[in-house]
Amino acid sequence: EVQLVESGGGLVQPGGSLRLSCAASGFTFSSNWMNWVRQAPGKGLMWVSNINTDGSTTNYADSVQGRFTISRDNAKNTLYLQMNGLRVEDTAVYYCIGVTVGWGQGTPVTVSS
Amino acid sequence: EIVLTQSPGTLSLSPGERATLSCRASQIVRSDFLTWHQQKPGQAPRLLIHGASTRATGIPDRFSGSGSGTDFTLSISRLEPEDFAVYYCQQYGSSPLTFGQGTKVEIK
Repeated sequence: EVQLVESGGGLVQPGGSLRLSCAASGFTFSSNWMNWVRQAPGKGLMWVSNINTDGSTTNYADSVQGRFTISRDNAKNTLYLQMNGLRVEDTAVYYCIGVTVGWGQGTPVTVSS
Repeated sequence: EIVLTQSPGTLSLSPGERATLSCRASQIVRSDFLTWHQQKPGQAPRLLIHGASTRATGIPDRFSGSGSGTDFTLSISRLEPEDFAVYYCQQYGSSPLTFGQGTKVEIK
C-alpha cells in the first residue's frame, strides 16, 4: 500500500523557517518524480515544487522561487521542503504527492504574528 | 503556463446518474500527462486517474478518463453517495504543473 506521511508543519512568524518532511513507502520512491502541493484555507490546489528521481533537477512556482528548497534522500525514502522567508500568504496545508502514485495526508503550515 | 479550465463549476445530480466533467487546457498537454483527483471536505485529495485514462490503484471502474491534446473528460458512470465531492484536473507535462479550479459534484 502506498503511504506518504508528511510532518514538520506548524505555526511560525513571518520571516521564519520550517522544514517539511515526507516519508514514503509502498512504492519505488527512487523511480518517481515527487512534488509538493499546497492548499490555502478554502481555496484550490496549487503546485509548489518538484524534483526529479535523483535530485539533480528541481522546479519551483514563481511565488516560492528563491525562498523554498526541495530535496530528497532516496536511501531514506524521504522528500523534504525547506521553507525560508515565510509569508502570511504561505499559510496552507502542504501535501507531498507523486503524480502517478498518490497523496499524503498533508501537514498544516500557519504563518502569523 | 498551461491554464486548465474545468466545467461546469457545479454539477447537481442524483445518485445513480452519470456525471461528465470537462477539463480544457490552454495548450496541448504533452504526452497526455493529465490526472484527475477527488477531494472530500476536510480530507486530502485522492488520485483517481493518471495519464488521462489510467485508473489509479483501487479506483472503482465506474470512474473513467478520456481525451487528449487539450480536451479531457472524467466520467462517473453511476454516482454513488460517496462520489459527491470536488474534482480537480492537473497537468504534469510541463512546468509549472497546474491544476484546474475544480468541479463540485453535489446531490440534487
